[in-house]
Amino acid sequence: QVQLVQSGAEVKKPGASVKISCKASGYTFNNYYIHWVRQARGQGPEWMGVINPSNGVTKYAQRFQGRVLMSRDTSTSTVYVDLSSLTSEDTAVYYCARDPDVSSGYLVYWGQGTLVIVSS
Amino acid sequence: EIVLTQSPGTLSLSAGERATLSCRASQSVSSSYLAWYQQTPGQAPRLLIYGASRRASGIPDRFSGSGSGTDFNLTINRLEPEDFAVYYCQQYGSSPTTFGQGTKVEIK
Repeated sequence: QVQLVQSGAEVKKPGASVKISCKASGYTFNNYYIHWVRQARGQGPEWMGVINPSNGVTKYAQRFQGRVLMSRDTSTSTVYVDLSSLTSEDTAVYYCARDPDVSSGYLVYWGQGTLVIVSS
Repeated sequence: EIVLTQSPGTLSLSAGERATLSCRASQSVSSSYLAWYQQTPGQAPRLLIYGASRRASGIPDRFSGSGSGTDFNLTINRLEPEDFAVYYCQQYGSSPTTFGQGTKVEIK
């Protein structure tokens, strides 16, 4: 079965960076895009961007351009998101998620979420 | 980007009643690329509906979606205890994909 397992919670100071991992299993890693979505407490989800694991091509939401980097390691079927210049507004749960088919756009499979707290 | 506005913010109902949730888009959603998700505390969103009206795998038939253009609804017939949760709509017809702010269905 498809599984996306994320790394554990992080506490960071303002101005720092955070890198979260998402390990995929149960399917052919290269065949499906992985999205990153974050959700602040009490808010709706917010799409951050997507990576094509087969070639590493990424597309980022404009509001994160210049501050986010998505990457992958095909040898371990793991994708990463790196967010820099953190502020308190980046405090949220971060999810990786997958479409059911290539580029469907809606998200069927989700990781368990990674809480990132930004606090001085 | 397309802004999705969900209403009401909170819906207070009893088990067995029907819930009707609304999602209005700031621009037409192409090809009815509209999805609905359910989220319970501490869990990731769970896909219920895609393509405006297609139930995802394993979703009970008391959940139904309708609408097109800018106005979409999610209906839950005969609310079960496990249906009390927060519901989000998502449009994926235009980039970037966007989500609504949610409707909470709570026990009256």
